[in-house]
Amino acid sequence: DIQMTQSPSTLSASVGDRVTITCRASQWITDSLAWYQQKPGKAPTLLIYKASSLEGGVPSRFSGSGSGTEFTLTISSLQPDDFATYYCQQYKTYPVTFGGGTKVDIK
Amino acid sequence: QVQLQESGPGLVKPSETLSLTCTVSGASIRSGTLYWIWIRQPPGKGLEWIGNIFYSGSTNYNPSLESRVTISMDPSKNQFSLKLTSVTAADTAIYYCARRNAAFVFDYWGQGNLVTVSS
Repeated sequence: DIQMTQSPSTLSASVGDRVTITCRASQWITDSLAWYQQKPGKAPTLLIYKASSLEGGVPSRFSGSGSGTEFTLTISSLQPDDFATYYCQQYKTYPVTFGGGTKVDIK
Repeated sequence: QVQLQESGPGLVKPSETLSLTCTVSGASIRSGTLYWIWIRQPPGKGLEWIGNIFYSGSTNYNPSLESRVTISMDPSKNQFSLKLTSVTAADTAIYYCARRNAAFVFDYWGQGNLVTVSS
């Protein structure tokens, strides 16, 4: 299985901060990476696919980059609605695997 | 608007079989470009892909669960289902159904169904 490692596991930030989350794959996955946001008690929602493509309806302050084994999710200016847990996911090969999550909370 | 809704018991006894159904509206599970997914999340933990089914009936399962999992579909009801046998407390989780789109990512999710394994 491809292991996905996210860092940090927890991130404390303030409204307006620029936030970066890193995801590393244990094998080469080209750009077969997605990012999801999950709020407490809710299902995850898709933010980014193909490493850098923004899902429709997702604010442009979210962006993704990277290829191969290293990827980043950036929130350019953190908004109150962005405090949540973020997961990366590889879909290059079965089984599909997720990172352990990064919780973004209020500083 | 695509919607998915899980249904099934919230409590299952150890060693028994967990059964859940996902009802899809706004999209046909017969679509040749879509896969239908089950994912679970133990309380307070991360996400685990269980498996998927294609309109043809072909399936893929997580090797960690493959010996206990069956995913099936009922196109006449636009539903797909999950069966997990011989459950233990480690199978306690929120179970989500989801859709995998043509870009291979999960763009629509159900609200989740908490299943607790306990006697």
